[in-house]
Amino acid sequence: AQSVTQLGSHVSVSEGALVLLRCNYSSSVPPYLFWYVQYPNQGLQLLLKYTTGATLVKGINGFEAEFKKSETSFHLTKPSAHMSDAAEYFCAVSDPREGGSEKLVFGKGTKLTVNP
Amino acid sequence: EAQVTQNPRYLITVTGKKLTVTCSQNMNHEYMSWYRQDPGLGLRQIYYSMNVEVTDKGDVPEGYKVSRKEKRNFPLILESPSPNQTSLYFCASSLSTLSYEQYFGPGTRLTVT
Repeated sequence: AQSVTQLGSHVSVSEGALVLLRCNYSSSVPPYLFWYVQYPNQGLQLLLKYTTGATLVKGINGFEAEFKKSETSFHLTKPSAHMSDAAEYFCAVSDPREGGSEKLVFGKGTKLTVNP
Repeated sequence: EAQVTQNPRYLITVTGKKLTVTCSQNMNHEYMSWYRQDPGLGLRQIYYSMNVEVTDKGDVPEGYKVSRKEKRNFPLILESPSPNQTSLYFCASSLSTLSYEQYFGPGTRLTVT
């Protein structure tokens, strides 16, 4: 079964600083990988995803992530944090099953705080 | 407007009283899923449905049932709710496989006393 590990349940950065949120997964087959963002009291919104092709994926709001198969990682970055980036971020990986069905496994989340 | 709707948004109930949380999508999506979100545990998948013919258990299916009689609806049923099912529940849908974006509903906050 797939699992996802997000290093750091809380990350704090200054406005304008680099954002780096770490995600490692376990997988025996090439997975689909996702980053979702959840703003306070809201549902989840897709930031970006990796399915196939280019390993550097660009998403919304200036975020990007790189799929590194050798490291089983999919870290999320943004060059310059903005106050509006304060939210909780979830990494997720697909878990294909026999018969073609697919379940989704989420990490426990990283809460990002942006300090002025 | 393309959306996933859930009802009710908030529910307080007592142990053992059967309840249903509805989920409906208007995007003609094949894949639908239910998650629960608990502090420090992230989101955990309860059940998912690849299409109206295929429904499967996620990571935490105990105490829950689902039904997919038609493509647009995917209700979550708690036959005999218990306090450990107090949580925030999200329904989501995507076009077909997980390679497509999942759209999440606004969430249902359930308290079981």
